[in-house]
Formats: sequence, C-alpha cells, structure tokens
Amino acid sequence: EIVLTQSPATLSVSPGERATLSCRASQSVSTYLAWYQQKPGQAPRLLIYGASTRATGIPARFSGSGSGTELTLTISSLQSEDFAVYYCQQYNNWPRTFGQGTKVEIK
Amino acid sequence: QVQLQESGPGLVEPSQTLSLTCTVSDDSISSGDYFWTWIRQPPGKGLEWIGYSYFSGSSRYNPTLKSRITLSLDTSKRQFYLKLSSVTVADTAVYYCARGNDYSGWFDPWGQGTLVTVSS
Repeated sequence: EIVLTQSPATLSVSPGERATLSCRASQSVSTYLAWYQQKPGQAPRLLIYGASTRATGIPARFSGSGSGTELTLTISSLQSEDFAVYYCQQYNNWPRTFGQGTKVEIK
Repeated sequence: QVQLQESGPGLVEPSQTLSLTCTVSDDSISSGDYFWTWIRQPPGKGLEWIGYSYFSGSSRYNPTLKSRITLSLDTSKRQFYLKLSSVTVADTAVYYCARGNDYSGWFDPWGQGTLVTVSS
C-alpha cells in the first residue's frame, strides 16, 4: 500500500500568515490526491481533489499543488476558522490511504 | 445537498459483530456515479479506509480487514451497511460513512460519524 507522510506534524502560524503543508508519497500517486480539514468533534471536510481542484464552496485561499510523490497544500492567509488538522489521501492505488495529519495551531 | 447519517450500537462486546447503517438523504445511492464508503478513526488517531459498496452489489475491502468485513446496500431503503466480525478493542473508533466520487477516489460528503466502543 502507498504510505503518505505529512510534514510537519504540527505547524504554528499566526493569523494572516501563509501555511504550507507537505504530503510525501512512498510511490507516485500522480495527481490522485485529496486534502481534508478536520476540526475537533467533526467529520473531515473535503478541500481539494485531483491535487489542485478546490471542492465546492472552498475559499480561494486554499490551494493544492504538486504531483508524483511530493504534494502541497497552501493556505495563503490563515483565518481563525482554518486552525484544524489537515489530512492528505491518495486514490491512485488500492487500498485508499491517508496521511497521519498536520495540525495547524495558532502561534 | 445530500446528507449521510450513521446509526448503530455505541458499545459492542469483544468477539461480537459490529453492525452499522448509513442512511442517504436522496436517491443518489441508486446512481452508478458513486461508491458508498466506510472510513474509521480510532480516538486521537488518523483515518483508515474500510471499503465501499456499489449500487450493483459489488464491493471492495481494505485487505487488512477483508476477512472480517461485509459491506452491502439496499437502494430501496437508501441505506448501506457495515458488518465487522470478531471485534477487539483495536476496533474502537469513530466510524464514518461517506460518498465516494471518481471510483471511490475522494470522499464528499461525510456523515457526522458514530463512536463505537469495544468493551466488555
């Protein structure tokens, strides 16, 4: 199975600053990668699919990039509601797998 | 906007079978466009894909769970189901149902999740 490694585990950022989250795959996932946001006590919410396509209703400050084994989620200017855990997930191979998550916390 | 809702017992004894139902709010469960998926999350941990059911009756499972899982669906009831046999404490988790898009590639929307605790 494809192992996804997210870094950093925790990212401390001030509101208004830029956040860059990394997802590294143990083998190529092409652009078959999604990103999710999860807040405490809530289900994950889809942000990005196809590595760079924003899901319906997702603000433009969220962007995805990369392909192959190195993919990135960027939040251009963090808002208070963006502090959460973010997961990447690949769908190039079976079984579908998730990264272990990056927690974005207030600095 | 379709909504999904999990239901089932919150407590299961070790060695027993965990059974959950996900109810879909519209007729998209009868569409060949979607793959009806289960995902779980142990407390404080990450996400694990369990598998999917398709409207035709086919399914696909995570190999790590394959020997214990049965997934099915009933389009007439707008429901799909998870059965996990021989549970242990390691199966304690929040169980989510979700709609899989692009051949169960990405998942949207998700149900709110239901916590299942395995304990005697």
